[in-house]
Amino acid sequence: EPEVTQTPSHQVTQMGQEVILRCVPISNHLYFYWYRQILGQKVEFLVSFYNNEISEKSEIFDDQFSVERPDGSNFTLKIRSTKLEDSAMYFCASSRTGQRTEAFFGQGTRLTVV
Amino acid sequence: DAKTTQPPSMDCAEGRAANLPCNHSTISGNEYVYWYRQIHSQGPQYIIHGLKNNETNEMASLIITEDRKSSTLILPHATLRDTAVYYCIVRVAGTASKLTFGTGTRLQVTL
Repeated sequence: EPEVTQTPSHQVTQMGQEVILRCVPISNHLYFYWYRQILGQKVEFLVSFYNNEISEKSEIFDDQFSVERPDGSNFTLKIRSTKLEDSAMYFCASSRTGQRTEAFFGQGTRLTVV
Repeated sequence: DAKTTQPPSMDCAEGRAANLPCNHSTISGNEYVYWYRQIHSQGPQYIIHGLKNNETNEMASLIITEDRKSSTLILPHATLRDTAVYYCIVRVAGTASKLTFGTGTRLQVTL
């Protein structure tokens, strides 16, 4: 069964450092998403991406965040200068279309900022 | 996005049907009801979705009331592995289809 894969599973970084979280969406999917979940809190939408551009972003997704699809298979989330409050699980998701089909999630990257 | 209301927690005996309710009284005519679950801190797992007809797949059944103001997710024979947080989400049509997660229902399946 096809799945969304994320690497690394756990990343520890120092405050102020840049991190790149990587995702390989399901191969025939066209829409890509990042969500995050701070420990004990809700899953929060960050950004959606379609046709090589951002479709929608939340208030959380400020100038410190960027997304990219550098090739035909990877989808990345970059945090330019990490803060302690960026510590969270980051989930990548993909869906075949935007509206009516289900989004499939990866297992997440646990980001710890120290 | 239309809001949903779910009980914070439920228990179910293994082998029994788990019936998880959800209220979405402000749902619009072209909004779908989606159900996801999250086991521990794993990525949310898609279960089922529907517009107005009842739906069934290998995991669960979704019963949507005629007025579409509420729905029930049914796990016909719950197992210990179904212990998870279950999210009922109404998805806004015409957007890039973000999912807005609430706090969900924590289902505990017991022996």
